[in-house]
Amino acid sequence: AQSVTQLGSHVSVSEGALVLLRCNYSSSVPPYLFWYVQYPNQGLQLLLKYTTGATLVKGINGFEAEFKKSETSFHLTKPSAHMSDAAEYFCAVSGGQGGSEKLVFGKGTKLTVNP
Amino acid sequence: DAGVTQSPTHLIKTRGQQVTLRCSPKSGHDTVSWYQQALGQGPQFIFQYYEEEERQRGNFPDRFSGHQFPNYSSELNVNALLLGDSALYLCASSLVGQGSTEAFFGQGTRLTVV
Repeated sequence: AQSVTQLGSHVSVSEGALVLLRCNYSSSVPPYLFWYVQYPNQGLQLLLKYTTGATLVKGINGFEAEFKKSETSFHLTKPSAHMSDAAEYFCAVSGGQGGSEKLVFGKGTKLTVNP
Repeated sequence: DAGVTQSPTHLIKTRGQQVTLRCSPKSGHDTVSWYQQALGQGPQFIFQYYEEEERQRGNFPDRFSGHQFPNYSSELNVNALLLGDSALYLCASSLVGQGSTEAFFGQGTRLTVV
C-alpha cells in the first residue's frame, strides 16, 4: 500500500523568499515520486519526478526536490518565490512511472506568494 | 499537439441521474486513467483503461463505470448520482504499450450534483 502526507495545507511566503513544501510518503515497493501543480480551474501539470538514480531532481520553473529514502521524504523547494508560483501543489507516489501504475496523491498544499 | 481534452468542462446534474464524461488522450497515448478530486482534496484514482479493458480499479462503487474506444478515447459513467459525487473529474493519459510514460492530465470536468 502507498500513501502520501503533505505537511501544511497552506503555506505563505513573500516574493523572493525560499519556498519549501513538505512531502512524506509510505510505499511497500520502491517508490516513484512526483510533484504536480494545479492552478485555479485547471488540471494538473507535472513539475518534476523521481524514478531512479540521482536523488536531487530538477523540474520546471526553478523547482527541485530531493528524495531521501531514510526519511521517506520528497520535499519541494524553490530558492526564490515568484508571484506566478501561487497555486496548489500535490505530491504523489506510484509503483511505476505513473502512466502504468496509479498515482496516490496527498491532500495538497496551497501556496500563497505575498508581494 | 492538443494534449488531453475533456468534455464537458462543467456539468450540473440532479441527484439520482446518470452522467457521462468524455476524454480524448494526448496524441500517441494508449492508456486513460480517471481520477476524482473532491473540493480541498487530492485526486483519487477511479480506474484505468488499456486496450479497451479496465486494467486497474480504485476503491469506487460499481456506480462508476467506464469504457475505452478503439481510438483510445474514454468515457466515465456515473449512475444514480449522489450529492457526494460532486467533484472535479480528471482524465490522465499515458503510453503503456511501449514503455511507460508519466501521466498527462486534462483540465477536468467540474460535476455538480444538486
